[in-house]
Amino acid sequence: DAGITQSPRHKVTETGTPVTLRCHQTENHRYMYWYRQDPGHGLRLIHYSYGVKDTDKGEVSDGYSVSRSKTEDFLLTLESATSSQTSVYFCAISRGTSYEQYFGPGTRLTVT
Amino acid sequence: TQLLEQSPQFLSIQEGENLTVYCNSSSVFSSLQWYRQEPGEGPVLLVTVVTGGEVKKLKRLTFQFGDARKDSSLHITAAQPGDTGLYLCAGARGDDKIIFGKGTRLHILP
Repeated sequence: DAGITQSPRHKVTETGTPVTLRCHQTENHRYMYWYRQDPGHGLRLIHYSYGVKDTDKGEVSDGYSVSRSKTEDFLLTLESATSSQTSVYFCAISRGTSYEQYFGPGTRLTVT
Repeated sequence: TQLLEQSPQFLSIQEGENLTVYCNSSSVFSSLQWYRQEPGEGPVLLVTVVTGGEVKKLKRLTFQFGDARKDSSLHITAAQPGDTGLYLCAGARGDDKIIFGKGTRLHILP
């Protein structure tokens, strides 16, 4: 157990509304990641962080922003949600030199 | 661009049979990881292989990293219903990130 929690676990929102997902870790890991998982696409990296206030884009970053003001929290924001952002979102931390990923339980987001 | 190709995408076999799933790429990875994911949960790390040609065993699961560090395989001996799940491979290239394959969905029939 890597001590990762995500909130909310489920959310339904309307197109055009802002949405923020939270990832919280208890083990003080430097690296944190946000992924989305969709049928046929697997896990795709949205953004990641390598320290407080240090973030970088992943493969599918358009329409998403992130913030990390504390080591333990990594926030993912959809500024104006679209139906194409309906997905399951996973947060992860990494340990070790091989960047092994330890995942949270996920957030199922539905944009109507 | 899909850098890691997993095959087969789906596999349904009877309990007790053996199976192998593959993870292939044209890129070299510094390490490769295998994860298993069950419905409604996040992926869970099974193993990391680092050295070309490396073989690791986890009970009935055998993982191999290709000599050129471009591919990997997962072999399950005497599959059991508890092995059912989505198996994901992921490669690290030394740039803070890892790349995931799309996964092999395995169903073991009792």
